[in-house]
Amino acid sequence: AQSVTQPDIHITVSEGASLELRCNYSYGATPYLFWYVQSPGQGLQLLLKYFSGDTLVQGIKGFEAEFKRSQSSFNLRKPSVHWSDAAEYFCAVGGSGGYQKVTFGTGTKLQVIP
Amino acid sequence: ETGVTQTPRHLVMGMTNKKSLKCEQHLGHNAMYWYKQSAKKPLELMFVYNFKEQTENNSVPSRFSPECPNSSHLFLHLHTLQPEDSALYLCASSHIGDQETQYFGPGTRLLVL
Repeated sequence: AQSVTQPDIHITVSEGASLELRCNYSYGATPYLFWYVQSPGQGLQLLLKYFSGDTLVQGIKGFEAEFKRSQSSFNLRKPSVHWSDAAEYFCAVGGSGGYQKVTFGTGTKLQVIP
Repeated sequence: ETGVTQTPRHLVMGMTNKKSLKCEQHLGHNAMYWYKQSAKKPLELMFVYNFKEQTENNSVPSRFSPECPNSSHLFLHLHTLQPEDSALYLCASSHIGDQETQYFGPGTRLLVL
């Protein structure tokens, strides 16, 4: 069965600092991988996705993620964080048991301090 | 309206009430989903509809009853809920050619008293 682990529940960074959010997955084949962001009181917004090809994926809002098969990881990065990036971030994996069964991690809450 | 919309955004109901949540997608998608998001738990997939047909029921209690009259509308009918059903209920949609990429609505925050 597929699964996702986001080891960091909370992360605090200073505005302008770089950011890396960790995501590890478990899946038998090449996974479909996603990062979503959820602002308070809102639904989930897709930041980026990886299906195949180039392992470095660019997304919206200046985010990128790198798929590393050897480490079963799909970490999200941003070179310079803005206060508006404060939100909760979810990693997700799909593909097993039908393409529509996407499994989400428990989320990482990002706090940005001035 | 664009994207995926959900109404109401907030709902408070007693355990004996009957209420319905509504979801509408304006993206031309043909698959729709209900998820439950509880504090400190991963998103739980509840139901999946493809072309109005239910294709997934993730062992959801019968007090939750979905309805999909067409590819653009999805309802979740609620009756005799329990306090532990309090959560954020999210609707999502996707296109049959890109099923894994789901687009979410803002959710309905439900409180069961």
